[in-house]
Amino acid sequence: DARVTQTPRHKVTEMGQEVTMRCQPILGHNTVFWYRQTMMQGLELLAYFRNRAPLDDSGMPKDRFSAEMPDATLATLKIQPSEPRDSAVYFCASGLVRTGVPEAFFGQGTRLTVV
Amino acid sequence: DQQVKQNSPSLSVQEGRISILNCDYTNSMFDYFLWYKKYPAEGPTFLISISSIKDKNEDGRFTVFLNKSAKHLSLHIVPSQPGDSAVYFCAASGGASYDKVIFGPGTSLSVIP
Repeated sequence: DARVTQTPRHKVTEMGQEVTMRCQPILGHNTVFWYRQTMMQGLELLAYFRNRAPLDDSGMPKDRFSAEMPDATLATLKIQPSEPRDSAVYFCASGLVRTGVPEAFFGQGTRLTVV
Repeated sequence: DQQVKQNSPSLSVQEGRISILNCDYTNSMFDYFLWYKKYPAEGPTFLISISSIKDKNEDGRFTVFLNKSAKHLSLHIVPSQPGDSAVYFCAASGGASYDKVIFGPGTSLSVIP
């Protein structure tokens, strides 16, 4: 049963600390997305990779957030330094355009709390 | 500036009746539209999609209608069931970033038994 795996599921950290969230996309998928779920914005796109190349990270606060794909099996989202306003659920999704449908498959999310 | 809008944050419907969830978009380059369903503490899951060359797509109790001229789509659920209670996200993609999926803010549907 192929699925996107995110770790950790929950993270509580103090303001100013570095946070790293990890994602293992579904094998064979060529796109990876990082989304942040907030009450006001819904699912806000932070970063988007195709074939491991970053195509769009305009939704990400550049001074503190960074997203990378060291290899095809791992995507990371880092926040340094973290702030209380970063508290949210962060979702990773992977996708493959099949029969024209750009379907994205989501992980279960990382719930981040910055105190 | 949100490219995909869902103006109703919440909707309450009686079991057995029709649920209609609405979505508007601003980017005329979008040519594929998707609906996702999300339960608490889970990731969103794909529900149904529609290409811009169609105006209707049906899958069981779920039907999506697309009005390109109005840049509007809607998801109809008939009949609504308590298990349909979830947050529904409208999403879109298109143009050069054909595989980049942009989501709306979501509508929380409650189906009352």
